[in-house]
Amino acid sequence: QKEVEQDPGPLSVPEGAIVSLNCTYSNSAFQYFMWYRQYSRKGPELLMYTYSSGNKEDGRFTAQVDKSSKYISLFIRDSQPSDSATYLCAMSVDQAGTALIFGKGTTLSVSS
Amino acid sequence: SAVISQKPSRDICQRGTSLTIQCQVDSQVTMMFWYRQQPGQSLTLIATANQGSEATYESGFVIDKFPISRPNLTFSTLTVSNMSPEDSSIYLCSASPARIDEQYFGPGTRLTVT
Repeated sequence: QKEVEQDPGPLSVPEGAIVSLNCTYSNSAFQYFMWYRQYSRKGPELLMYTYSSGNKEDGRFTAQVDKSSKYISLFIRDSQPSDSATYLCAMSVDQAGTALIFGKGTTLSVSS
Repeated sequence: SAVISQKPSRDICQRGTSLTIQCQVDSQVTMMFWYRQQPGQSLTLIATANQGSEATYESGFVIDKFPISRPNLTFSTLTVSNMSPEDSSIYLCSASPARIDEQYFGPGTRLTVT
């Protein structure tokens, strides 16, 4: 079993839809949870960062962490064509210098 | 924030040769990392490069194959040695000033080995 599982998709939605992206993990020591967005031929950019369990909202994006279920989610409201990208979840045990463990990424396409 | 550039952006190399990838950060950073992103696979950490110390390699990666230099706080290189077609991948450099939520990535180097 891989440490982090993420459905690669692709996921296609119409503009304005609510998108739900998810990852599961097996290592209960993970404390830091991140979502990265990666456009084609670009490096990943940090989108959301959450420590431990709970929700975090930033504009149209909401990140949720459920440590009891070892499950994290990213919700995108009112999706836009500019949201079309690959979304990678990443996790780490501590904050300083430890390797990030990434999911494979989910490719999202939002059509206008 | 930190802006990261990588050279080359892409290359096509012959089997058995070596390629050195450069990573430049626009500010001083404590930690720099090298990742590999193979098609359909997760980003995989190759090694952590801290200035003034030897690079720390992850399981499955060895210094002879992926030697790394970190001469100062803004620059690092990764060499892919004695390449085979299995080394065809995107290689990404990232940097972190201090905290894990401040990890910035370069645009990547797309390597094809024939």
